[in-house]
Amino acid sequence: GAGVSQTPSNKVTEKGKYVELRCDPISGHTALYWYRQSLGQGPEFLIYFQGTGAADDSGLPNDRFFAVRPEGSVSTLKIQRTERGDSAVYLCASSPQGAGTQYFGPGTRLLVL
Amino acid sequence: QKEVEQNSGPLSVPEGAIASLNCTYSDRGSQSFFWYRQYSGKSPELIMFIYSNGDKEDGRFTAQLNKASQYVSLLIRDSQPSDSATYLCAVKGNNNDMRFGAGTRLTVKP
Repeated sequence: GAGVSQTPSNKVTEKGKYVELRCDPISGHTALYWYRQSLGQGPEFLIYFQGTGAADDSGLPNDRFFAVRPEGSVSTLKIQRTERGDSAVYLCASSPQGAGTQYFGPGTRLLVL
Repeated sequence: QKEVEQNSGPLSVPEGAIASLNCTYSDRGSQSFFWYRQYSGKSPELIMFIYSNGDKEDGRFTAQLNKASQYVSLLIRDSQPSDSATYLCAVKGNNNDMRFGAGTRLTVKP
């Protein structure tokens, strides 16, 4: 079956702009995770959804970052007033349930100029 | 102290040798432990997970967990050039949040 998909694959924006990154999890997976990965680093946890609700958003770096999953499937990560330090690969992963194995999407490479 | 620590490497081994990758974690309440492989420019892919103390073998890969020492390792037997990648250790806590180490870069030389 189809894996986790993310769009866009690449996004270039200017400092101060607003961006939305989309994640489409594996069908039937109730848990969805967002991570951010900078060069030479491991994925940094941002937020975890179980169904429609954010079960843990402790990894969001500040209030410029927000994520939603209104129908318990597709999720959107929203970044307001982007800064150059937001440049990274944003990874999404899903799992059948919170305790299950996570499967990663290909990521969105965000570059803030 | 970082929550999950790995030697960044690079670790270089000859083809056919055993590669040993190590990871320590700080949260004693951690429940499950994962090893992911990440090729350059690609997303992480799961190699193994382990929940209980001891060894778990899957083909050429063996994961070892020692909760008392807060230590988890991955052994790769008969290393192949195609095993060259960054190996990420990940630890899941009670809240199902996953914390990753920075990864160890492995190079297997033909």
